[in-house]
Amino acid sequence: EAEVAQSPRYKITEKSQAVAFWCDPISGHATLYWYRQILGQGPELLVQFQDESVVDDSQLPKDRFSAERLKGVDSTLKIQPAELGDSAMYLCASSLTGAADTQYFGPGTRLTVL
Amino acid sequence: AQSVTQLDSQVPVFEEAPVELRCNYSSSVSVYLFWYVQYPNQGLQLLLKYLSGSTLVESINGFEAEFNKSQTSFHLRKPSVHISDTAEYFCAAGGTSYGKLTFGQGTILTVHP
Repeated sequence: EAEVAQSPRYKITEKSQAVAFWCDPISGHATLYWYRQILGQGPELLVQFQDESVVDDSQLPKDRFSAERLKGVDSTLKIQPAELGDSAMYLCASSLTGAADTQYFGPGTRLTVL
Repeated sequence: AQSVTQLDSQVPVFEEAPVELRCNYSSSVSVYLFWYVQYPNQGLQLLLKYLSGSTLVESINGFEAEFNKSQTSFHLRKPSVHISDTAEYFCAAGGTSYGKLTFGQGTILTVHP
């Protein structure tokens, strides 16, 4: 069964450093999502791509976060500089076309900022 | 704007007992509703979803949820739980053309032997 791949699974960094997360969605899925899940809370959407275009980044802290999906396939989420409050699980999900389609989630990247 | 409220942060229950995890939503547009399950250190897995049609939806492992438009609820139920059902459960609502999901805060279900 096809799965969403993410790496790394765990990342520990010091504040003010740069970090990057990678996501490879299920083949053929046009829509890709990055969510942030703070411990004890539900996931919150950071950015959504339709193919290579950003369709929603209203909750992305653009002064330090950036995301790209250059060829409309895999995607990278970057934080520079990292802050203590960025410690969270970063989840990537993909779906066929968005709308009511099921979103399939990867295992996530657990970020700890010291 | 949408919002999702899960009314219980933790639900302890004994094995083979029935359980209900409560979810209420608010939305100014037509809404799709989902329940996801998350096991420790894993991503979310879809349990079931309501898009349209029959208001009662079922999963393959015995969970069911009923869409109640008048009460704006989508509670999750199982008549007899197993130890393996111990996990965190998230209710989510979607309704935009692009599929953005709004999640509740999660309910930790703990099944005791």
